[in-house]
Amino acid sequence: GESVGLHLPTLSVQEGDNSIINCAYSNSASDYFIWYKQESGKGPQFIIDIRSNMDKRQGQRVTVLLNKTVKHLSLQIAATQPGDSAVYFCAEKEANQAGTALIFGKGTTLSVSS
Amino acid sequence: NAGVTQTPKFQVLKTGQSMTLQCAQDMNHNSMYWYRQDPGMGLRLIYYSASEGTTDKGEVPNGYNVSRLNKREFSLRLESAAPSQTSVYFCASSGQGLGEQFFGPGTRLTVL
Repeated sequence: GESVGLHLPTLSVQEGDNSIINCAYSNSASDYFIWYKQESGKGPQFIIDIRSNMDKRQGQRVTVLLNKTVKHLSLQIAATQPGDSAVYFCAEKEANQAGTALIFGKGTTLSVSS
Repeated sequence: NAGVTQTPKFQVLKTGQSMTLQCAQDMNHNSMYWYRQDPGMGLRLIYYSASEGTTDKGEVPNGYNVSRLNKREFSLRLESAAPSQTSVYFCASSGQGLGEQFFGPGTRLTVL
């Protein structure tokens, strides 16, 4: 089946740098995408979402970009802080799925050093 | 609001034993989900319930059963646990709309 994947399993940055986490998806029928943050020993926490009729959405220190032409999703974190260290997952929802089940990628581990 | 709660937090079973993982949400959400997460992997959907009274299989349903007891509660049962079911189990819920899911803290299950 089609699934969501991430380009890199790990990303290491310095505190204060901007981080970019990438995700590729293969299902052009997907109409909704979410980024989750998962800290060690905890459940995933919602960061930001975007609909397929948008190209960009901004939150507090985070921006999600959606490029439907190449089926690419990215999460940008500005001024990365040590507290941003976690595993980040992208997830998609297929328009033809019953209910609202999400398909998750494998995750990117972000490590922020001081 | 407590959000999504799960019990127990940790559990160790022997092969062949049975157990039920409990999940409850207090957000009046219609949809609830059970996922498993294995090391280095994303979350894989086991079962979900789009609304009270309905349940559907996800990507990896074999070896599991679910019960949507009422709108608040959605339980996951392992009838005969196997070592391959060693994992962290997450329950989630979502309301009307696009589908943002809220997750519980997880249950870490080890099957010996």
